[in-house]
Amino acid sequence: GENVEQHPSTLSVQEGDSAVIKCTYSDSASNYFPWYKQELGKGPQLIIDIRSNVGEKKDQRIAVTLNKTAKHFSLHITETQPEDSAVYFCAASGGTGNQFYFGTGTSLTVIP
Amino acid sequence: NAGVTQTPKFQVLKTGQSMTLQCAQDMNHEYMSWYRQDPGMGLRLIHYSVGAGITDQGEVPNGYNVSRSTTEDFPLRLLSAAPSQTSVYFCASSYEGSYNEQFFGPGTRLTVL
Repeated sequence: GENVEQHPSTLSVQEGDSAVIKCTYSDSASNYFPWYKQELGKGPQLIIDIRSNVGEKKDQRIAVTLNKTAKHFSLHITETQPEDSAVYFCAASGGTGNQFYFGTGTSLTVIP
Repeated sequence: NAGVTQTPKFQVLKTGQSMTLQCAQDMNHEYMSWYRQDPGMGLRLIHYSVGAGITDQGEVPNGYNVSRSTTEDFPLRLLSAAPSQTSVYFCASSYEGSYNEQFFGPGTRLTVL
């Protein structure tokens, strides 16, 4: 099956700085790569996603890039704010079956 | 729409007890799934269903059973709880297909003593 690795596991940035989280995947058949944000005590919520036929996607302060050749994708958050503090998960799907495979999560802390 | 709902929010069991975690969605989604979340392990798929009457195993299915008699409901059964099943459980649903957003419930925190 698919194997998704995510780095770093924890990340602290000053408010206003950028944050980057990286993921790699193993199954070349995967074609959909969502990113989820999980706030304390809540379920994960989709913040941005990218399909395999697109190299980059941006939504205000959040962007995701995908390198199919290298099998890695990244989340970029610019001008970070304290409310960006949360756990972020990357995921991959579209390979074998309809399953989603998640990374192990990155705990982001934005220091005011 | 209530989205994805899960009950209970918290549960404490003794080793060997059985229980059912409930999950329901009102978005007419074909695909439903159960995940467990453990520190440093991310979200791991337990079981999933692509429609009523159809279920399949995920990465970590041992010790859990599921059934899908309706589109709306997808309960997860623990037959004989073990301490290793202490975790936070999330139910999710989506339309079938690769590009569809998964909607997660609020989770059930289960402790097995």
